Amino acid sequence: DSGVTQTPKHLITATGQRVTLRCSPRSGDLSVYWYQQSLDQGLQFLIQYYNGEERAKGNILERFSAQQFPDLHSELNLSSLELGDSALYFCASSVAGQPATNEKLFFGSGTQLSVL
Amino acid sequence: GQNIDQPTEMTATEGAIVQINCTYQTSGFNGLFWYQQHAGEAPTFLSYNVLDGLEEKGRFSSFLSRSKGYSYLLLKELQMKDSASYLCAVRDGDYKLSFGAGTTVTVRA
Repeated sequence: DSGVTQTPKHLITATGQRVTLRCSPRSGDLSVYWYQQSLDQGLQFLIQYYNGEERAKGNILERFSAQQFPDLHSELNLSSLELGDSALYFCASSVAGQPATNEKLFFGSGTQLSVL
Repeated sequence: GQNIDQPTEMTATEGAIVQINCTYQTSGFNGLFWYQQHAGEAPTFLSYNVLDGLEEKGRFSSFLSRSKGYSYLLLKELQMKDSASYLCAVRDGDYKLSFGAGTTVTVRA
């Protein structure tokens, strides 16, 4: 158990809908990262938050947004869902947000999103 | 963008050794990580290299050559539980961590 909690584990929805994925980082970790993993692709970095503020942005679509709350939990909002958004969405956390070469990420168990 | 290449699949026999190669081209370099991911589960950290050379951790070792943009993960004395996907990840000059597509290792009895 990494200490990172993601809910829900599974989500089935229809095209055009909007969903919210939730992540609680490890106790003491200030940074939260969101990754998307599709069958044919590796882990794609979406976005990072540190202590409530956006720190880095990756290949995140405009239909997707995220935020980190004062209690450090984070939510990833996916709207106008398309079939291609079906994927495993991982949240990861780390202690710092300041650049640190050896800082490793701890991953949650992921949310499997199926868009039908 | 980042370019991280690793083989898609490898198969080996229980007790054998397998070497998973990873080549990368990134904008700057601030370290290379290997993660293990069992099917449907979260990736878990295996190793980290930032300087050239070999890092050994029990049955697993990881090597890095920064000048060649090359790393490998060596798994020794393979066990059935080692069947998993192994992800190579590189932290670039902006400290973003990008992952390769992963190498699925199947260990046969």
